[in-house]
Amino acid sequence: DIQMTQSPSSLSASVGDRVTITCRASQSIKNYLNWYQQKPGKAPKLLIYGASSLQSGVPSRFSGSGSGTDFTLTIRSLQPEDFATYYCQQSYSTPLIFGGGTKVEIK
Amino acid sequence: EVHLMESGGGLVQPGGSLRLSCAASGFTFSSYSMSWVRQAPGKGLEWVSYISSGGGTIYYADSVKGRLTISRDNAKNSVYLQMNGLRAEDSAFYYCARAVVTAGDVFDIWGQGTMVTVSS
Repeated sequence: DIQMTQSPSSLSASVGDRVTITCRASQSIKNYLNWYQQKPGKAPKLLIYGASSLQSGVPSRFSGSGSGTDFTLTIRSLQPEDFATYYCQQSYSTPLIFGGGTKVEIK
Repeated sequence: EVHLMESGGGLVQPGGSLRLSCAASGFTFSSYSMSWVRQAPGKGLEWVSYISSGGGTIYYADSVKGRLTISRDNAKNSVYLQMNGLRAEDSAFYYCARAVVTAGDVFDIWGQGTMVTVSS
């Protein structure tokens, strides 16, 4: 099975900061990497698919990059509504593993 | 509006059974693969099971294989998760999610979830 390692597991940031979250796969998954945002008590929401494609309706301050084994989610200028937990997920092969999550908290 | 709504969660004793349902609306259900994803309280997301649009291809996580069974009824726009031999570690919020094939199966629409608690 492909393992997904996200880092950091949590971070504190201020409104306006640039935030970067990384996700590493245990083997190459090409660009089959997706990012989700989850707020407390809510279902996850798709942000980025195919490593770098922005889901419709998602603000352009979110971007994704990477291929193979190393991937990055960047939030260009953190907004109050962006404080949440972020998960990566590989869609290359089953089991469709999620990363452990990164909780973005207010500094 | 595209919508998924889960139901059927509740409190069940260890070893018991439960059947979760997920009703879809606002899109051509029979054209999409579906998955179940769960989340234990305070924990991360865990993919549970996948079923293709026609129901002919099914996958399970090793942790549930042999105990949980996914199925669908395209005439009723619904996907199901039959849960047998439940354990305490199955306690979680269970989400159904629509899978779109872009770079693999990507979960673009999620339901609000239904809670399953396994406890005596």
